[in-house]
Amino acid sequence: GENVEQHPSTLSVQEGDSAVIKCTYSDSASNYFPWYKQELGKGPQLIIDIRSNVGEKKDQRIAVTLNKTAKHFSLHITETQPEDSAVYFCAASSGNAGGTSYGKLTFGQGTILTVHP
Amino acid sequence: DTGVSQDPRHKITKRGQNVTFRCDPISEHNRLYWYRQTLGQGPEFLTYFQNEAQLEKSRLLSDRFSAERPKGSFSTLEIQRTEQGDSAMYLCASSNRDPLSEQFFGPGTRLTVL
Repeated sequence: GENVEQHPSTLSVQEGDSAVIKCTYSDSASNYFPWYKQELGKGPQLIIDIRSNVGEKKDQRIAVTLNKTAKHFSLHITETQPEDSAVYFCAASSGNAGGTSYGKLTFGQGTILTVHP
Repeated sequence: DTGVSQDPRHKITKRGQNVTFRCDPISEHNRLYWYRQTLGQGPEFLTYFQNEAQLEKSRLLSDRFSAERPKGSFSTLEIQRTEQGDSAMYLCASSNRDPLSEQFFGPGTRLTVL
């Protein structure tokens, strides 16, 4: 089955700095890569996602890059703010409506991001 | 509120008791997923429903666990004869359209088995 590794496990930055979180996956059939933000006591919330036919996607201060050959993808947050502090999870999925994989997500172990004012 | 809701939010039980959790997905979503999250880890897939059909189950889902989605709307997850190792956050997510669309997560049910 799919295995997703995420690094670093903790990341501490100063407000205004950039933060980068990296993930690798094992299943070459994976074709959907979402990133979730989870705050204390809440469920994960999608912040950005990318599909395997795209190499990079950006949404304001957040960007994701995907290297299918190397099987890794990264989250980039620029101009970090204290409210960006949370746990971030990468995930991979090989959803295929006609196959036996129905979009279940395999998550990384998470990165605790702390942004100091 | 039109998001995914879960009930109860917290459950404390004694070892050996049965517990049942409920998930109400976003109304037009036909795909429903259950995940389990232990402290300091990412969520792990448990089971998937497409409408009322349970189409995929993880090896994590022992025979003490059962899930239903009787009318293709809300879903229940029951754990029989709970063990301390069942203590975790149980998350429900729903999505629409294709398998690669966003999964919307509920707030979770935190289970503590004493």
